[in-house]
Amino acid sequence: DTAVSQTPKYLVTQMGNDKSIKCEQNLGHDTMYWYKQDSKKFLKIMFSYNNKELIINETVPNRFSPKSPDKAHLNLHINSLELGDSAVYFCASSQDSLTSTGSPLHFGNGTRLTVT
Amino acid sequence: AQTVTQSQPEMSVQEAETVTLSCTYDTSENNYYLFWYKQPPSRQMILVIRQEAYKQQNATENRFSVNFQKAAKSFSLKISDSQLGDTAMYFCAFRSSFWGQGGSEKLVFGKGMKLTVNP
Repeated sequence: DTAVSQTPKYLVTQMGNDKSIKCEQNLGHDTMYWYKQDSKKFLKIMFSYNNKELIINETVPNRFSPKSPDKAHLNLHINSLELGDSAVYFCASSQDSLTSTGSPLHFGNGTRLTVT
Repeated sequence: AQTVTQSQPEMSVQEAETVTLSCTYDTSENNYYLFWYKQPPSRQMILVIRQEAYKQQNATENRFSVNFQKAAKSFSLKISDSQLGDTAMYFCAFRSSFWGQGGSEKLVFGKGMKLTVNP
């Protein structure tokens, strides 16, 4: 009965590789997000999607490409991984839209990405 | 752009004591939402409490309550009867009520505060 699930939990890879993180929510929410948590624990928005449409791209490098095949899924693909991409990546969802705002975000358990 | 400031990077408290975590924010909007999230060592992000800016009454959830001072743009979290399981990072967060141009489409977080509850 997991609400927001993301896989894998841990990802260790070498510089230059391409990797993907998958996210699925079964809450029926309209909006999904990717957040990056750096080594100092700061959480920063990367992308926000509403009903499969990109609504926020917070100056993320082009190497990061989110894809939302349907409103329950938001995957993150990262090309040409760099050392600075090492972080914890959180997927989240909320029942927010143009007509209803202020809902809390429900987070997945995070994916710890380590680039060596 | 909205900003959220948590000025205390770290605090410790004895079990059963009361502790208050401070948070200030900056916005020109009149209606918005404020949140406290908890992140224990397990890394999970857990919603602690939510406050709607247009409601004067402070939100409470069991041992957790807030002191919302709208004019001062202050949103502190009080934890009563601290328990060992309260040991975690605590994040204050802001959400606009306006949808569009990067408003309500994201939650803006403070830098977090590490709380340690000692036995």
